[in-house]
Amino acid sequence: EAQVTQNPRYLITVTGKKLTVTCSQNMNHEYMSWYRQDPGLGLRQIYYSMNVEVTDKGDVPEGYKVSRKEKRNFPLILESPSPNQTSLYFCASSPFSGANVLTFGAGSRLTVL
Amino acid sequence: GESVGLHLPTLSVQEGDNSIINCAYSNSASDYFIWYKQESGKGPQFIIDIRSNMDKRQGQRVTVLLNKTVKHLSLQIAATQPGDSAVYFCAENTGGTSYGKLTFGQGTILTVHP
Repeated sequence: EAQVTQNPRYLITVTGKKLTVTCSQNMNHEYMSWYRQDPGLGLRQIYYSMNVEVTDKGDVPEGYKVSRKEKRNFPLILESPSPNQTSLYFCASSPFSGANVLTFGAGSRLTVL
Repeated sequence: GESVGLHLPTLSVQEGDNSIINCAYSNSASDYFIWYKQESGKGPQFIIDIRSNMDKRQGQRVTVLLNKTVKHLSLQIAATQPGDSAVYFCAENTGGTSYGKLTFGQGTILTVHP
């Protein structure tokens, strides 16, 4: 089944403890992106990648890192999580060279205490 | 399911009615627009898109209208069904289909009553 897979789906952690949310797509898509969703704020773009080894900042990149070493994977790294990074995170991918017809993962609910 | 928003605009309709969801965008340079649907506990799902050189585009039971003069986008759903109940987001892209940044609106909650 063609899909975007995120792990973990739910995570409770503490301030300062590094964590990685993995994202993998099996559709050979060029473009991948991370969003966070907060009540009343909609979806805000964190980082995106137009292709392997190419990443760029979205609207809210502070406190996050990403890497795109291979086409299928686009992990989101929180080096030192803080409570304001408590959110619902979505990874998405697109077959085209840009943000258009995105396929989203099921989401990762992160709570930072 | 996951809570996706507080104090979002809401639209309640009866099953079988037509629904119109509106979206205002602020960036006059935006040239590509997309509608997504998000059901409770799921990620957003692509519905339909439109480029700025078009005023209207139709899909299956859905129509998107674009008015660039007033920077307004609307999604029309014909014969709305209970399965259409969801949060609907418009999104805009300022670089056409080959640009990486996509900005989402806050969303509208559509509730369809049987």
